[in-house]
Amino acid sequence: DVKVTQSSRYLVKRTGEKVFLECVQDMDHENMFWYRQDPGLGLRLIYFSYDVKMKEKGDIPEGYSVSREKKERFSLILESASTNQTSMYLCASSQTGGRQPQHFGDGTRLSIL
Amino acid sequence: DAKTTQPNSMESNEEEPVHLPCNHSTISGTDYIHWYRQLPSQGPEYVIHGLTSNVNNRMASLAIAEDRKSSTLILHRATLRDAAVYYCILKSMNRDDKIIFGKGTRLHILP
Repeated sequence: DVKVTQSSRYLVKRTGEKVFLECVQDMDHENMFWYRQDPGLGLRLIYFSYDVKMKEKGDIPEGYSVSREKKERFSLILESASTNQTSMYLCASSQTGGRQPQHFGDGTRLSIL
Repeated sequence: DAKTTQPNSMESNEEEPVHLPCNHSTISGTDYIHWYRQLPSQGPEYVIHGLTSNVNNRMASLAIAEDRKSSTLILHRATLRDAAVYYCILKSMNRDDKIIFGKGTRLHILP
């Protein structure tokens, strides 16, 4: 089975801190994704990556950056955390193609105080 | 991107079949229909996908209308563990691998 592992289930940080959320997948998938999920707004795509060192903006990239130095690892970076970035963050990976599903981690619930 | 429409919520009794509808009237010929579900406190989980023909797997069945403008996810015998938000999503075989999640259907199972 595909496993997508997010480094923390819960994280509490302070406003202005630099925050790193890590995601690792073990199935050699080309594609990796970062979403955030908020009540009433559903899942929204922040950034995605098709290959090592490649990144593409999703629907809400402002305030975030990403890094993909190795195929299995995709990091989401909050350069200067703000309270409106308090959310559930979900990482996913997939192979390429219309029939290929995305596989999700269990999420990181991030609170910015 | 083609859009899907689902009811906000549905209820079903335990051990009965559940039919979850999805409308996708602007689907293109290169779009796959995918279903995911999200259990409480977990990430979304892939359930099933199809293109034109009906599909079955161990979790569910997917019935696709002949004109492909709608589909139905069928849980043959609902259990309390099936209570979740179910998302119907279109995924293009030609474009990038992004998918767009709508609000989904929250399924309540009554014991």
